[in-house]
Amino acid sequence: QVRLVESGGGLVKPGGSLRLSCATSGFTFSDYYMSWVRQAPGKGLEWVSYISSSGSYTYYADSVKGRFTISRDNAKNSLYLQMNSLRAEDTAVYFCARAYYYDRPMDNWGQGTLVTVSS
Amino acid sequence: DIQMTQSPSFLSASVGDRVTITCRASQDISNYLAWYQQKPGRAPKVLIYAASTLQSGVPSRFSGSGSGTEFTLTITSLQPEDFATYYCQQLRNYPPWTFGQGTKVEV
Repeated sequence: QVRLVESGGGLVKPGGSLRLSCATSGFTFSDYYMSWVRQAPGKGLEWVSYISSSGSYTYYADSVKGRFTISRDNAKNSLYLQMNSLRAEDTAVYFCARAYYYDRPMDNWGQGTLVTVSS
Repeated sequence: DIQMTQSPSFLSASVGDRVTITCRASQDISNYLAWYQQKPGRAPKVLIYAASTLQSGVPSRFSGSGSGTEFTLTITSLQPEDFATYYCQQLRNYPPWTFGQGTKVEV
């Protein structure tokens, strides 16, 4: 059974940092490309970042470029998102999701973790 | 960047209705389109990919069509569990992997 479980969300002040984790099981993690997608309260889905199966290639939305860093540890079957210089507009539920390749659908998602940026 | 525009943003329907949601891309994306369903407080779930291929386990009342810049998601005979928000996503030109703004199907 495929499982993706996010953790690390919480309340942080503007300018602060947070590291999200996504623990996976039930599939060969190193075969899959992984993504972070967020959803602000009451809003739609926004793609945030993507990482290749090996971790060699990463991509970011313009809204987070230079502030967020995606990484993975294939030995631990885990995905990460380091978020620095957080802003109020980063407040959202953050989902991790897997895809077999960049042009394939995100076929399994975690339940999400809430990040709230507020003073 | 490719923009994805869904219509309508809200749709009022009843159980048993046939429902159609449209997604338009700002440029040709061939058939690189996926549809997702999201219920409140839950993660999105993929329904259709490659514009018209039904994801395993998804009921056959869901179907997708289209190519190029215009796509549709159709639900024949809407069921109570289908009241949700639906998103399209383009998978042709990236980054970014753009989602539509969503269509909420409500009673």
